[in-house]
Amino acid sequence: KAGVTQTPRYLIKTRGQQVTLSCSPISGHRSVSWYQQTPGQGLQFLFEYFSETQRNKGNFPGRFSGRQFSNSRSEMNVSTLELGDSALYLCASSLAVANEQFFGPGTRLTVL
Amino acid sequence: AQSVTQLGSHVSVSEGALVLLRCNYSSSVPPYLFWYVQYPNQGLQLLLKYTSAATLVKGINGFEAEFKKSETSFHLTKPSAHMSDAAEYFCAVIEGQTGANNLFFGTGTRLTVIP
Repeated sequence: KAGVTQTPRYLIKTRGQQVTLSCSPISGHRSVSWYQQTPGQGLQFLFEYFSETQRNKGNFPGRFSGRQFSNSRSEMNVSTLELGDSALYLCASSLAVANEQFFGPGTRLTVL
Repeated sequence: AQSVTQLGSHVSVSEGALVLLRCNYSSSVPPYLFWYVQYPNQGLQLLLKYTSAATLVKGINGFEAEFKKSETSFHLTKPSAHMSDAAEYFCAVIEGQTGANNLFFGTGTRLTVIP
């Protein structure tokens, strides 16, 4: 079975721009979660989608948004980028609640 | 509210020595606990999980962890360290039986293995 894939792997943007990251979960997994990883804040939960519905949301500003498609693929969008948004963005998929989450390799976003 | 504390941001052990990485949790309901490992420039890989079955959990690569409710701990151990174990390790918790699926992570412990 193919693992979780994320595209692109690396991204460089400038302040004020917007960015869209993509995540394809493991086949059959309907839950997709997004996490931000930074040296200062560590790993923080952004949001979770299940069957195209946002089921849970972390403590991030409204500039961070996401969606899930009928095939379970998910995208997250960050608008009006700030320097502090530079991070590794990780996507994880799981079969159900409290099952293990399988992580993709991440997208490293650099904001200049 | 749930949280995880990992004692020791850096741990160094000699090759062949015991690995012990500490994790304490806080949760208002029975927790589900996980250990993940992250190698440089990679995502997270699940080592093992506790979801209210056996309290001693065996994982991949010779790692195991014991859930101790009285101590609110879930420490990760491996009897004999290997050079390939050098990585960053994260303990994480989900509040069980709440329907929530968001992992709360500790701050991580970087393991160095000395040859």
